[in-house]
Amino acid sequence: NAGVTQTPKFQVLKTGQSMTLQCAQDMNHEYMSWYRQDPGMGLRLIHYSVGAGITDQGEVPNGYNVSRSTTEDFPLRLLSAAPSQTSVYFCASSFTGMNTEAFFGQGTRLTVV
Amino acid sequence: TQLLEQSPQFLSIQEGENLTVYCNSSSVFSSLQWYRQEPGEGPVLLVTVVTGGEVKKLKRLTFQFGDARKDSSLHITAAQTGDTGLYLCAGEEETSGSRLTFGEGTQLTVNP
Repeated sequence: NAGVTQTPKFQVLKTGQSMTLQCAQDMNHEYMSWYRQDPGMGLRLIHYSVGAGITDQGEVPNGYNVSRSTTEDFPLRLLSAAPSQTSVYFCASSFTGMNTEAFFGQGTRLTVV
Repeated sequence: TQLLEQSPQFLSIQEGENLTVYCNSSSVFSSLQWYRQEPGEGPVLLVTVVTGGEVKKLKRLTFQFGDARKDSSLHITAAQTGDTGLYLCAGEEETSGSRLTFGEGTQLTVNP
């Protein structure tokens, strides 16, 4: 089973460039989310979605956009990359409701120079 | 502001030793999850604790949820080199649905 698939695994961008990180899940999960992971900061929520057509901001949304046109896909767009966005990005999905397990992708390591 | 504080942030021990990792908050959580993450991979769920005072065991790992549902601990008995990894706690607030708040993580290194 594929689970949560993120692409690309690695990316280097120049300051000001834009790009889209892809995330797809095949578990029919309603809830999907994007996190960034920085040393000593744990996982911080960027954006999340409770279902197709519905998105909301998390803890650190500035500089990022998301959309959820299908249940399976939840892309994250960097509008104008900045060095402060250098990080490892994780996409996760789960069923909605309480006490549900979050399944994570393998991550995208992004460097902005 | 980080709602969940983990301690210690780094822990390096010898194989066979015992250790405890703490996850503390001033907020009440409906549940608390513990994840383990290996280099180059995403976190993987170890356990979910739901009831105040609950204790769950997973082989040599013991998880406890505080009576007031504000804190949790992970105790590993007789650590092995395979336990090396980043341990993350994550809390689910009662009004947040599936939204999780993560602690900073504890990087555990078990030396042979």
